[in-house]
Amino acid sequence: DTGVSQDPRHKITKRGQNVTFRCDPISEHNRLYWYRQTLGQGPEFLTYFQNEAQLEKSRLLSDRFSAERPKGSFSTLEIQRTEQGDSAMYLCASSLPPYIANSYNEQFFGPGTRLTVL
Amino acid sequence: AQKITQTQPGMFVQEKEAVTLDCTYDTSDPSYGLFWYKQPSSGEMIFLIYQGSYDQQNATEGRYSLNFQKARKSANLVISASQLGDSAMYFCAMRTQGGSEKLVFGKGTKLTVNP
Repeated sequence: DTGVSQDPRHKITKRGQNVTFRCDPISEHNRLYWYRQTLGQGPEFLTYFQNEAQLEKSRLLSDRFSAERPKGSFSTLEIQRTEQGDSAMYLCASSLPPYIANSYNEQFFGPGTRLTVL
Repeated sequence: AQKITQTQPGMFVQEKEAVTLDCTYDTSDPSYGLFWYKQPSSGEMIFLIYQGSYDQQNATEGRYSLNFQKARKSANLVISASQLGDSAMYFCAMRTQGGSEKLVFGKGTKLTVNP
């Protein structure tokens, strides 16, 4: 039983470059979430997919950020023209649809991608 | 809007002792869910325990229990018989209702278990 996986685990880039992260959720999970965690803070919601549809985006997700989940399986998060303020841990999580989940319906998190923008 | 407050940036406990990590929340929704997650230095968030707003009894999962006081809007995590491996960041989170059901997290508490 594989969990949520993310790639790469670490990314160092120069300001102004584009970066792309990948998340592979647990196979039967149709919900996928992206969160961002900066140093000393809890994770903050960025965006949410149900199957291939992106249904909610946070105001934190500026126009430099784009996320996709083309076939309702893996997802990518791209940051264009990176800035030093983008340095953070990017966490992906997945969960079952509520109608087949238990009352917990907890989100299962991946190990995260740590981005450093120089 | 939902908000989670964790007022303890750091806590220390001796191995085998119990420790309580505080969490207060704010929401106007009558139906909500509260979670505790553990984040070791490796970075992965690990689900520990859940409490639903309509649950009559406090949740328990092994050495973890949740002291849920609805009127006070608090959901404190109690870890009994602390182990060295419990040293980590602990986050309290609330699930929003409807739509994405995204999680709103507090700032976390860093727990250090001393031998």
